[in-house]
Amino acid sequence: QKEVEQNSGPLSVPEGAIASLNCTYSDRGSQSFFWYRQYSGKSPELIMFIYSNGDKEDGRFTAQLNKASQYVSLLIRDSQPSDSATYLCAVTGAGNMLTFGGGTRLMVKP
Amino acid sequence: KAGVTQTPRYLIKTRGQQVTLSCSPISGHRSVSWYQQTPGQGLQFLFEYFSETQRNKGNFPGRFSGRQFSNSRSEMNVSTLELGDSALYLCASSLAMNTEAFFGQGTRLTVV
Repeated sequence: QKEVEQNSGPLSVPEGAIASLNCTYSDRGSQSFFWYRQYSGKSPELIMFIYSNGDKEDGRFTAQLNKASQYVSLLIRDSQPSDSATYLCAVTGAGNMLTFGGGTRLMVKP
Repeated sequence: KAGVTQTPRYLIKTRGQQVTLSCSPISGHRSVSWYQQTPGQGLQFLFEYFSETQRNKGNFPGRFSGRQFSNSRSEMNVSTLELGDSALYLCASSLAMNTEAFFGQGTRLTVV
């Protein structure tokens, strides 16, 4: 059974700090990796995706993928209170079926 | 560019009834997937449609079904509703296989 694991948190960081969110997955055949942000009562919003080993940067966000270690991470630089949300890691194999982790709740304190 | 549209946004149904939820994907997107989100189980995959064909199905009972039309719009149906079916039902739209998925705002179903 494919599994995606995340620390549920909450992860608390001060405003302006770097938030580091981690995710491990069990299926070595996983091909695509996604990070979604979900505010309470809202639907998930795609913030980053990565397909190959290494780093991918987009504004304040950096996704890191290590397929050998089956590990994906998301770094948020200069964290803002508006970044406070639950961050969901998701992976796909063939097709578009997303397997989600349970999410990490991030709290950015002013 | 319009996003993914789900209707209705909220539903209250009685046990034993059936319900149909609708999803209109982003224009040009051919893949639609459905997910159930509950506090206890998180986000769980229901099924995926691509060009009117079901490509994947999650581990849900046969009471959960879906279909996709030629214009890529999709519906999911839940028959004989149970209290445990109360959840946020989310539809995700993708351009093609193995591409990014964008979610609609969801339909919150409450079964009483």
